[in-house]
Amino acid sequence: KQEVTQIPAALSVPEGENLVLNCSFTDSAIYNLQWFRQDPGKGLTSLLLIQSSQREQTSGRLNASLDKSSGRSTLYIAASQPGDSATYLCAVRRSYNTDKLIFGTGTRLQVFP
Amino acid sequence: GAVVSQHPSWVICKSGTSVKIECRSLDFQATTMFWYRQFPKQSLMLMATSNEGSKATYEQGVEKDKFLINHASLTLSTLTVTSAHPEDSSFYICSARDLRQETYEQYFGPGTRLTVT
Repeated sequence: KQEVTQIPAALSVPEGENLVLNCSFTDSAIYNLQWFRQDPGKGLTSLLLIQSSQREQTSGRLNASLDKSSGRSTLYIAASQPGDSATYLCAVRRSYNTDKLIFGTGTRLQVFP
Repeated sequence: GAVVSQHPSWVICKSGTSVKIECRSLDFQATTMFWYRQFPKQSLMLMATSNEGSKATYEQGVEKDKFLINHASLTLSTLTVTSAHPEDSSFYICSARDLRQETYEQYFGPGTRLTVT
């Protein structure tokens, strides 16, 4: 059974710091991995999607890497801003013929001025 | 593009009543939509997969008679919580898969906060 864990569970940092959020999964047989952002009381916004054949994806100040063999992904946030404060969730999709996403436990990030 | 809406955004109902939540894909067609449940400070748990024109597929442990799902068109799925109880209070989020995309990426709605008193 696939289990997805995120460390740390919560993080509070001053503005400007570079951050690394971690996501680990127990079964390396995944189709892709996705990072989402969730603001309090809101839905999910997709940030980055990495196919299993890819090593990383970048969008602006965000960079996500994937090491499938070790069951790990990291989300790197450069020069953090207060507007980055949110909960970050990673989710894995097991195979091509299933839509099911297994979500991680989330990291609650607070960036203070 | 790829916008998903939910209605209502929040609802309060009394124990024993039923409440319907709508999920719409606004600018794309979705043969498949998904319903998730999220408890405070916890992650999302898939409840069921909704398929247009056919019965929904429920995850283990989810009562299909309590959480009725209807996917009547390519842009609308509804979740009805029947005979609601306080333990059904939660944040319900839907997502939809864009047929046009080969990556099968899911787009999420803004969620519906259900409070049962």
